[in-house]
Amino acid sequence: DVKVTQSSRYLVKRTGEKVFLECVQDMDHENMFWYRQDPGLGLRLIYFSYDVKMKEKGDIPEGYSVSREKKERFSLILESASTNQTSMYLCASSHQPGLSTDTQYFGPGTRLTVL
Amino acid sequence: QKEVEQDPGPLSVPEGAIVSLNCTYSNSAFQYFMWYRQYSRKGPELLMYTYSSGNKEDGRFTAQVDKSSKYISLFIRDSQPSDSATYLCAMSFNQAGTALIFGKGTTLSVSS
Repeated sequence: DVKVTQSSRYLVKRTGEKVFLECVQDMDHENMFWYRQDPGLGLRLIYFSYDVKMKEKGDIPEGYSVSREKKERFSLILESASTNQTSMYLCASSHQPGLSTDTQYFGPGTRLTVL
Repeated sequence: QKEVEQDPGPLSVPEGAIVSLNCTYSNSAFQYFMWYRQYSRKGPELLMYTYSSGNKEDGRFTAQVDKSSKYISLFIRDSQPSDSATYLCAMSFNQAGTALIFGKGTTLSVSS
């Protein structure tokens, strides 16, 4: 089975802090994604990466950055956390198109609260 | 008009009922259609994956795609309390998991 793990289930940070959310997948997937999920707004794509050291902005990249130094690990960074970044953060991974009829597999999520 | 529309519910049914969950979409270029199930405080898990129009069955679950009407459905037969969750539809233009467009999810509650 595909396994996507996230470093924390719950996190509480203060406004202005730098926050790191880590995601690791064990299936050698090329693509990795970061979403946030908010009531009434659904899943919104923040950033994704299709290869090591490659990244693409999603729909809401402002206030976030990402890092992918190794294929299995994709980090989301909040440079200066703000209260409007309180949310559920979900990481996902998938194969590269053409290799399979795979789709995105999600981690358990990190519920971040910024005070 | 939003790309993918999904009734948020909540939908409450008794155990054993047949449940129908639906999404409509506006872009006819979508080719791949998925249903995810998300339990409270957990990440979404893939439930069903279909390509183009037609039906796909897996146990008590049937996914149906009608591209002519831009309408997809998920049917749950003999619903169980363990089916209580939020169901998200998702779709994409290309194969294998980039640029998925999600519906906002329908919350289902099955009472025993």
